[in-house]
Amino acid sequence: GQNIDQPTEMTATEGAIVQINCTYQTSGFNGLFWYQQHAGEAPTFLSYNVLDGLEEKGRFSSFLSRSKGYSYLLLKELQMKDSASYLCAVKRRDYGQNFVFGPGTRLSVLP
Amino acid sequence: NAGVTQTPKFRVLKTGQSMTLLCAQDMNHEYMYWYRQDPGMGLRLIHYSVGEGTTAKGEVPDGYNVSRLKKQNFLLGLESAAPSQTSVYFCASSPLPTKPGYYEQYFGPGTRLTVT
Repeated sequence: GQNIDQPTEMTATEGAIVQINCTYQTSGFNGLFWYQQHAGEAPTFLSYNVLDGLEEKGRFSSFLSRSKGYSYLLLKELQMKDSASYLCAVKRRDYGQNFVFGPGTRLSVLP
Repeated sequence: NAGVTQTPKFRVLKTGQSMTLLCAQDMNHEYMYWYRQDPGMGLRLIHYSVGEGTTAKGEVPDGYNVSRLKKQNFLLGLESAAPSQTSVYFCASSPLPTKPGYYEQYFGPGTRLTVT
């Protein structure tokens, strides 16, 4: 089976840096994706890692270690609008187009 | 360019009733997906399609059927609704990968379904 774990909730202050962790157990790994979802809205794509290392995209960075089954999303210079849920998702190579999503981490950014 | 649209946005059904949710995308994407999202459980894949005329089961397919007669549309049917199907349903689409493993999904706005 598959298992993806993320912290349920996190709180940070405007202007700070926050790291959201994701651990997974799966076979046939073929990529890890991060999505942002504001309350009552659809998820939107943030980043993608298929090889080990850091991918940077403006204020957002995502890191992957396949040997450890671990990823994190790093958000810098936090803004109030970053208050949202952050979803980690794993794609398996041997399972068609199947993605498995974690439960999501709800981030609250305080002034 | 509307992206991914879903119809309806809200619906209340009685147990045993049937309905169809419509998903449409105008981006010429090959892959389409139906998810349900419940509190504390994240998104769970119901069915997906890798092209026109094809469908496959995801993680939680029981009680649902799908069809993809046209490339741009993906329909989700509930034949006999049950209270356990109360959820928010999201449709998504993704193009062929432009680099290995790169399946960026574009989500629709969601349909909030309540079954009483």
